[in-house]
Amino acid sequence: DTGVSQDPRHKITKRGQNVTFRCDPISEHNRLYWYRQTLGQGPEFLTYFQNEAQLEKSRLLSDRFSAERPKGSFSTLEIQRTEQGDSAMYLCASSALGQGKGIRDTQYFGPGTRLTVL
Amino acid sequence: AQTVTQSQPEMSVQEAETVTLSCTYDTSESDYYLFWYKQPPSRQMILVIRQEAYKQQNATENRFSVNFQKAAKSFSLKISDSQLGDAAMYFCAYRRSANFGNEKLTFGTGTRLTIIP
Repeated sequence: DTGVSQDPRHKITKRGQNVTFRCDPISEHNRLYWYRQTLGQGPEFLTYFQNEAQLEKSRLLSDRFSAERPKGSFSTLEIQRTEQGDSAMYLCASSALGQGKGIRDTQYFGPGTRLTVL
Repeated sequence: AQTVTQSQPEMSVQEAETVTLSCTYDTSESDYYLFWYKQPPSRQMILVIRQEAYKQQNATENRFSVNFQKAAKSFSLKISDSQLGDAAMYFCAYRRSANFGNEKLTFGTGTRLTIIP
């Protein structure tokens, strides 16, 4: 499989619990993005990695959110002390800087992780 | 800050007909990219077409083409010979030039396209 993969696809949790999502980008893609999409809206940018470095975080990313990309490969997004307002689809995308799979400088999306906080 | 506006929350078209989805954007930059992504129900976002702002020629991909009007900051998507598989949410997105590093996408609110058999 050469696409972006995300795990889990669905997560139901109770308010106050911690959750962690994983994203595996397309191989050789050195840029990785996290977005959040709520019902009826377009995705909103959360954070961005180039290789292992987290270069930008949106103001949407509160202190309860943390993202990592160890060794510049897969990435994890953790939400601590979840709130009902965190319920959304969390999308991961990757792109290649310079030569790489797919169209240069174009983001390819994974299937997303749908989070429901009860 | 850049904004993207899709003023048509829903559109419908008869199968085999042509439909145009509208998108306008606001930016002070001269070098950027524009995209149309398709998100079928419960399925992942797929790139439909992309346009580089410095190119005057409108992009085409098979049955999909764009009308890029840079001065008017308009970027519409035309789907010809509509097929049932085209039914999806369509998002218009903007991205700054790669020279600025972060290539985050700014999305519109989407247009839900229904294909009538």
